[in-house]
Amino acid sequence: EVQLMESGGDLVQPGGSLRLSCVASGFTFANHGMSWVRQGPGKGLEWVSCISGRSTTTYYADSVRGRFTVSRDNSKNTLTLQMNSLTAEDTAIYYCTKDQWLERHDSWGQGTHVIVSS
Amino acid sequence: QSALNQPASVSGSPGQTITISCTGTNSDIGDYNYVSWYQQFPGKAPRLIIYEVTNRPSGVSNRFSGSKSDNTASLTISGLQAEDEADYYCSSYRKSDMPRVFGGGTKVTVL
Repeated sequence: EVQLMESGGDLVQPGGSLRLSCVASGFTFANHGMSWVRQGPGKGLEWVSCISGRSTTTYYADSVRGRFTVSRDNSKNTLTLQMNSLTAEDTAIYYCTKDQWLERHDSWGQGTHVIVSS
Repeated sequence: QSALNQPASVSGSPGQTITISCTGTNSDIGDYNYVSWYQQFPGKAPRLIIYEVTNRPSGVSNRFSGSKSDNTASLTISGLQAEDEADYYCSSYRKSDMPRVFGGGTKVTVL
């Protein structure tokens, strides 16, 4: 059974940084691209970033490019999102997803909450 | 870059058939068969229910079906049930430096 467990969400001040993690199990992690998708309060889903299985390719939404960095450690089955220069618009539930690369999001974690507020 | 366009809400009575549309462009839905649909209940994570326009993952009811015509994809729910009341999102591959895009979501209400 695929399991994705996010962590690292917190209350952070505007301009601050946060590092989210997602530990995966139940599949061969290195064989799959992974994404971060977020959902603001009362809003729809917004794709944030994705990374290929061997970390050779990364993509970012315009709203986070230059501020967020996605990475992965295949030896630890862990996906990471480093978030810098946070603003109130980054307040959301952040989901980690197992992907069919660029085609679909097969499995989703339960999400971790990020609140950016002073 | 804009999101895919979905109606904000669709409603139907139990047993009826409803359809949710998802309109994109020639850079996404129109040119690629990588349309997927997700179901989300309040307070829960989304779940994949349709991929590659028409395919259902194991365990998804055959009351859910997908189709596509030109730049518009559709999700049809037949024999609508109370348990289908949820938010539904379409998504597609997009040929750009932002290769994933979602629709704004559609709230399905069972009357």
